[in-house]
Amino acid sequence: DAGVTQSPTHLIKTRGQHVTLRCSPISGHKSVSWYQQVLGQGPQFIFQYYEKEERGRGNFPDRFSARQFPNYSSELNVNALLLGDSALYLCASSFFQGPSNTGELFFGEGSRLTVL
Amino acid sequence: LAKTTQPISMDSYEGQEVNITCSHNNIATNDYITWYQQFPSQGPRFIIQGYKTKVTNEVASLFIPADRKSSTLSLPRVSLSDTAVYYCLALGVDYKLSFGAGTTVTVRA
Repeated sequence: DAGVTQSPTHLIKTRGQHVTLRCSPISGHKSVSWYQQVLGQGPQFIFQYYEKEERGRGNFPDRFSARQFPNYSSELNVNALLLGDSALYLCASSFFQGPSNTGELFFGEGSRLTVL
Repeated sequence: LAKTTQPISMDSYEGQEVNITCSHNNIATNDYITWYQQFPSQGPRFIIQGYKTKVTNEVASLFIPADRKSSTLSLPRVSLSDTAVYYCLALGVDYKLSFGAGTTVTVRA
């Protein structure tokens, strides 16, 4: 079975631009969550979705948005990019609806965003 | 958000036991505490999860005292391949997930 897949793996943007990151969960998983990991730090929770509904949101500005599609894949959108948005963006899928730490999160390899 | 605090780094030698403690405040009373392992350029990987007392699986043990203000991950007999960053994860009373800053474990031969 395929694991969590994320695209693109790497991308470079300039300040003020917009970016869309994509995530396909493990087959059968209905929950997707997004995390931002700045170099040298732990992942920071951004969003959690279950059955296309937002179930949790971290302390990120409104420039960050996400959605989940009927096939449970998800997109993370970031508008008006800042230099500080440069990070590894991780997507995780799980069975559980959240907000909850129950069960295992299965992470993708991440999308590394560089903002110049 | 839950406040999770871990040591920044720990050094060990092959065959030794490594214990990493995470302090967590403002965590939800009815949810689990989870530990993840992360290698460079990879996503975190689940190690173990517990609610109270002690949990053991094939790779690690997790001890959580009754007050749940901390948790200790125990890696028995580490090998070079256990060199990685280890994170604790908890759900805050505000129902937001919070990773610790991570503990870099370096295992030497």
